Amino acid sequence: DQQVKQNSPSLSVQEGRISILNCDYTNSMFDYFLWYKKYPAEGPTFLISISSIKDKNEDGRFTVFLNKSAKHLSLHIVPSQPGDSAVYFCAASGIGNKLVFGAGTILRVKS
Amino acid sequence: SQTIHQWPATLVQPVGSPLSLECTVEGTSNPNLYWYRQAAGRGLQLLFYSVGIGQISSEVPQNLSASRPQDRQFILSSKKLLLSDSGFYLCAWSVHKAEAFFGQGTRLTVV
Repeated sequence: DQQVKQNSPSLSVQEGRISILNCDYTNSMFDYFLWYKKYPAEGPTFLISISSIKDKNEDGRFTVFLNKSAKHLSLHIVPSQPGDSAVYFCAASGIGNKLVFGAGTILRVKS
Repeated sequence: SQTIHQWPATLVQPVGSPLSLECTVEGTSNPNLYWYRQAAGRGLQLLFYSVGIGQISSEVPQNLSASRPQDRQFILSSKKLLLSDSGFYLCAWSVHKAEAFFGQGTRLTVV
């Protein structure tokens, strides 16, 4: 039962353009959503999060949008840089502090 | 500041041997602690999480177990490793649902 889904295995974007990474969830009891960036053989790095009572949170080049009615969230990276190339994971936290992750999306930013 | 230590970084173990991976957190009290596994090319699978000493929630029935003998120590164990236990194991901690932080991971190869 995959409660957090990232349906796009990969995304390729030109440097300077916007990267949009998508995530869907099924459990309406999730109350926080988090995004992580991961390089091979390293632990994930926390990027940004959003509470379920908000619809937008922004931190520098990163903005997360939440659409509760659609059970959908997205991470926008503007402008995209080659150093942003990595695997991006969406995660959701719910009852009992359980934290579950999606399968990840590989982002490639071309220079 | 808070830090998380996870060791060893790499481990090669024969099938049928025992396993003990340790994770410790510094600079915080009563964290939530998590063990994840990333199989090759896959997402982050939640294995165990703990909201307090001696409180362990198991997510996936398998050949592994977890223990939390102290507030900031989380141990992942197995009595007899299987080939399918190979993967990248990650420990994480959080004190608030809006953030969770990972260790650098342990690459386990069962041969």
